[in-house]
Amino acid sequence: DSGVTQTPKHLITATGQRVTLRCSPRSGDLSVYWYQQSLDQGLQFLIQYYNGEERAKGNILERFSAQQFPDLHSELNLSSLELGDSALYFCASSRSSATNYGYTFGSGTRLTVV
Amino acid sequence: GESVGLHLPTLSVQEGDNSIINCAYSNSASDYFIWYKQESGKGPQFIIDIRSNMDKRQGQRVTVLLNKTVKHLSLQIAATQPGDSAVYFCAENIKKDFNKFYFGSGTKLNVKP
Repeated sequence: DSGVTQTPKHLITATGQRVTLRCSPRSGDLSVYWYQQSLDQGLQFLIQYYNGEERAKGNILERFSAQQFPDLHSELNLSSLELGDSALYFCASSRSSATNYGYTFGSGTRLTVV
Repeated sequence: GESVGLHLPTLSVQEGDNSIINCAYSNSASDYFIWYKQESGKGPQFIIDIRSNMDKRQGQRVTVLLNKTVKHLSLQIAATQPGDSAVYFCAENIKKDFNKFYFGSGTKLNVKP
């Protein structure tokens, strides 16, 4: 157990729908990062939050949004889902806002859009 | 478990042999590198890291070599065990993009008993 908790583990939904993925970082970690892992794209950085504020943005679609709450858990919202959004979504956390020592990943949420 | 990287290059080794997994990184400005291991159904797990001011770093049974001239990184696993079977990713971090890592496409290591 890495200490980073992601729920749900699996999600199956239809095109056009909206889903919310949840992440609880390791105790003491202030930064949360979201990554998308698809078969043909590898791991792609989406977005980072640090202590409730957005810190960095990667290849995140406008249909996707995220936030980090005062208790430091984070949610990734995916809307108007398309078949191509099917992927593993990973959350990672780190103590600081920088990645000097890498970060710890959760086990991921497998999203299947049908 | 989850199927990750069905189209990844695969390295098959015999249990007890040494494994070498290679990675070509893209940005000459990258100054920090990590090797991650991803087992089926799990998230990437940190194995070893190296900074650009080093050529080599050793851990327990693992060694990372960095060749900045050709932008190449390798992970050597000594006495490979069945539990080493996984997908291995290298990740690079650029100082100016200190928040994010850029991941390689990964190599699947298959250890034969």
